[in-house]
Amino acid sequence: GDQVEQSPSALSLHEGTGSALRCNFTTTMRAVQWFRKNSRGSLINLFYLASGTKENGRLKSAFDSKERYSTLHIRDAQLEDSGTYFCAAEPMSNYNVLYFGSGTKLTVEP
Amino acid sequence: GPKVLQIPSHQIIDMGQMVTLNCDPVSNHLYFYWYKQILGQQMEFLVNFYNGKVMEKSKLFKDQFSVERPDGSYFTLKIQPTALEDSAVYFCASSILDKFSNERLFFGHGTKLSVL
Repeated sequence: GDQVEQSPSALSLHEGTGSALRCNFTTTMRAVQWFRKNSRGSLINLFYLASGTKENGRLKSAFDSKERYSTLHIRDAQLEDSGTYFCAAEPMSNYNVLYFGSGTKLTVEP
Repeated sequence: GPKVLQIPSHQIIDMGQMVTLNCDPVSNHLYFYWYKQILGQQMEFLVNFYNGKVMEKSKLFKDQFSVERPDGSYFTLKIQPTALEDSAVYFCASSILDKFSNERLFFGHGTKLSVL
């Protein structure tokens, strides 16, 4: 079965508002990454966390390995934030594998 | 669900040798990608490929790297010659549609390359 459950699958925000994306894991993960898909479909790294929280501009991410989840918070959303966001997690048991969430399509409206 | 297969899961070679990493993408997908992840670091984009051409590549995609998908077979990443810093896990991904879609990327489980 799927190791990573990402929600929501789609999210619509008005400019200036915020929300959170979440990934729940079925097993203990060593680290998590968050990506945004660019216009060519390539994934651009947003955060890499082994624990705790990181912040970059209007984005903030948290990872709790014990509680088996990670979040990506977006505040003061802008039109250019629209896109598809993915999380990916590394299991404790295997250095060679990444488990990906199914993605969240974010639409920011005026 | 659809799966991307990477073969082999682990490959060990001597520095200076050539290596080819193989990816069997989802059968009706058209866009293909390679990513590189050094142990303990974040995964980095290398290249994407469509209709027989490289569409976009990063600065990590050195001159020693090449990709191809001859006759709709495996999507391959060739490194010639290899260097010690090429040791990493390489992930292949594929998707059916481009930027106007909400299609997810499907990832393989990775090939660990060890260059000695």
